[in-house]
Amino acid sequence: DTAVSQTPKYLVTQMGNDKSIKCEQNLGHDTMYWYKQDSKKFLKIMFSYNNKELIINETVPNRFSPKSPDKAHLNLHINSLELGDSAVYFCASSQGSGGAGETQYFGPGTRLLVL
Amino acid sequence: QKEVEQDPGPLSVPEGAIVSLNCTYSNSAFQYFMWYRQYSRKGPELLMYTYSSGNKEDGRFTAQVDKSSKYISLFIRDSQPSDSATYLCAMTWYSSASKIIFGSGTRLSIRP
Repeated sequence: DTAVSQTPKYLVTQMGNDKSIKCEQNLGHDTMYWYKQDSKKFLKIMFSYNNKELIINETVPNRFSPKSPDKAHLNLHINSLELGDSAVYFCASSQGSGGAGETQYFGPGTRLLVL
Repeated sequence: QKEVEQDPGPLSVPEGAIVSLNCTYSNSAFQYFMWYRQYSRKGPELLMYTYSSGNKEDGRFTAQVDKSSKYISLFIRDSQPSDSATYLCAMTWYSSASKIIFGSGTRLSIRP
């Protein structure tokens, strides 16, 4: 009964390819997030959605496009992958509208390696 | 200068020792302070949070916030090998759509 799940767990691909990462949460939460964690463990938010509506959109290349088909799912599509995109991507969810003080529950991460 | 600074370690201590993990920050608007624990190849999990200066205790863990110095700490008493993980400090400010700013994490190893 995984709370926040991501697929795939590992992704190895060539530069220039397009790939997608999927995230699902079964906690009934209203807000979902995508984070990127680089090789130095620095975790930085990319996007957040509340009830399928984009509420945080950090300065990320527009090659990254999130999509939320419903409030339990948040997918991340990456076009024209570059070497610098290699990182661990974490999905997370929280119960409310994404405000301060809400506990965020993280998925296991997707390890992306671009060759 | 990063908004949140954290010593990356690694920090290695013997079992039973008291561990002190620290972060400094530059944005005085931060009001909520958190500590996340991340085991190897897992996602971060919330360990503790506080929104005021002072201490907050939960079992063997104590979170301390000094807003005047812009300094937060996490103390672990009677450390166990199972505490070996990366500890990420995190903070945010009050709004309807706050984003969490994370430190870069301190890798902690407890030697049996």
